Amino acid sequence: QPVLTQPTSLSASPGASARLTCTLRSGINLGSYRIFWYQQKPESPPRYLLSYYSDSSKHQGSGVPSRFSGSKDASSNAGILVISGLQSEDEADYYCMIWHSSAWVFGGGTKLTVL
Amino acid sequence: QLQLQESGPGLVKPSETLSLTCTVSGGSISSSSYYWGWIRQPPGKGLEWIGSIYYSGSTYYNPSLKSRVTISVDTSKNQFSLKLSSVTAADTAVYYCAREEQVSNYYYMDVWGKGTTVTVSS
Repeated sequence: QPVLTQPTSLSASPGASARLTCTLRSGINLGSYRIFWYQQKPESPPRYLLSYYSDSSKHQGSGVPSRFSGSKDASSNAGILVISGLQSEDEADYYCMIWHSSAWVFGGGTKLTVL
Repeated sequence: QLQLQESGPGLVKPSETLSLTCTVSGGSISSSSYYWGWIRQPPGKGLEWIGSIYYSGSTYYNPSLKSRVTISVDTSKNQFSLKLSSVTAADTAVYYCAREEQVSNYYYMDVWGKGTTVTVSS
């Protein structure tokens, strides 16, 4: 089982909110990890969006709109990225990442379609 | 403004060694606040971290690639490099270099190069 699992795809309508999940493998304690989120558009490198550890320890990337926000869901052992007020330009691949056992680990990515 | 630029052969033969260099401009690779990393992305697939290096030469590697990977740094040239040995078609990917900035008690990849495509084929 992968360390991080993300849904392959997600669709949402313009103006709506999208909730992207990043589930940590069973046995890996969500509370001990900072979750990093990246956005990647075709033919471009990933762009750092934000990181979330707790409400008092979170970091927004430079120039990243506040409609991108992070959180955690302890009940599902998952990091959450919420994009509110979806715009067509938000259509992209989204990757989560953690530092685990002295290594960076990426989730498989979620392709977000805005339609 | 910090920029990273990957360079190296776009075509490598199977069983040979892939060699790439990342040149850092607009800032010093010798700053104590940063690690420097390599990440790759096979066609149509997700991101895979390869490894990271500090200006002093301290390294972290992806356990799944560790036996084949060497990352080095040349502070005089403001560059760091990747060598991946015994390549196969599975190593065909876009290779990115990135800066890992320290914020408080953690690092994150904040600046990325544009990436370079490497194809493994005879």
